[in-house]
Amino acid sequence: DAGVIQSPRHEVTEMGQEVTLRCKPISGHDYLFWYRQTMMRGLELLIYFNNNVPIDDSGMPEDRFSAKMPNASFSTLKIQPSEPRDSAVYFCASSPLDRHTDTQYFGPGTRLTVL
Amino acid sequence: GQQLNQSPQSMFIQEGEDVSMNCTSSSIFNTWLWYKQDPGEGPVLLIALYKAGELTSNGRLTAQFGITRKDSFLNISASIPSDVGIYFCAGQLKQGAQKLVFGQGTRLTINP
Repeated sequence: DAGVIQSPRHEVTEMGQEVTLRCKPISGHDYLFWYRQTMMRGLELLIYFNNNVPIDDSGMPEDRFSAKMPNASFSTLKIQPSEPRDSAVYFCASSPLDRHTDTQYFGPGTRLTVL
Repeated sequence: GQQLNQSPQSMFIQEGEDVSMNCTSSSIFNTWLWYKQDPGEGPVLLIALYKAGELTSNGRLTAQFGITRKDSFLNISASIPSDVGIYFCAGQLKQGAQKLVFGQGTRLTINP
């Protein structure tokens, strides 16, 4: 069974450009999470969805960041315009409807470099 | 926001040695989790703890949920080269809250 799929795995762009990161969660999972990982701040939760509906976006850094989940099998995280400080590894994770939230399965991540 | 203080930040050990790392917080957590991250990959769940005082093993790994619910430790016995990576603790403040707070990670390096 395929795990969480993220694309692209690496993205290099110039400041000011729009960046779109993509995620396909594990089939049947009800929750989808977007995280950002940097050396300075570690793993930070940006936003999460339940049944395609955004539940908590308090971790989204600013208005330049937006996330959508148009259906149960696809989500995007968009940065427009991108800035060098957005350089990080972005992870998507999904979780089934379960009394425990421990079963978050992470994708391989997208390494974003903004020049 | 809520923070987990994870220590040590890094460890350099010899193959075969035992490893111990821990996480503490000023907040009470409902669940404690330990993840491992290999280079170029996402974190993978190792152990989940749900009750204060709970001690759980997964092969050579053992983790405990502190009695105060504000701390947890992870031990690795008889380390092997594939144990190399970054270990993260994570906590869930409230059951059903879905959100996890992650520690800063412990980078484990093993000398053969």
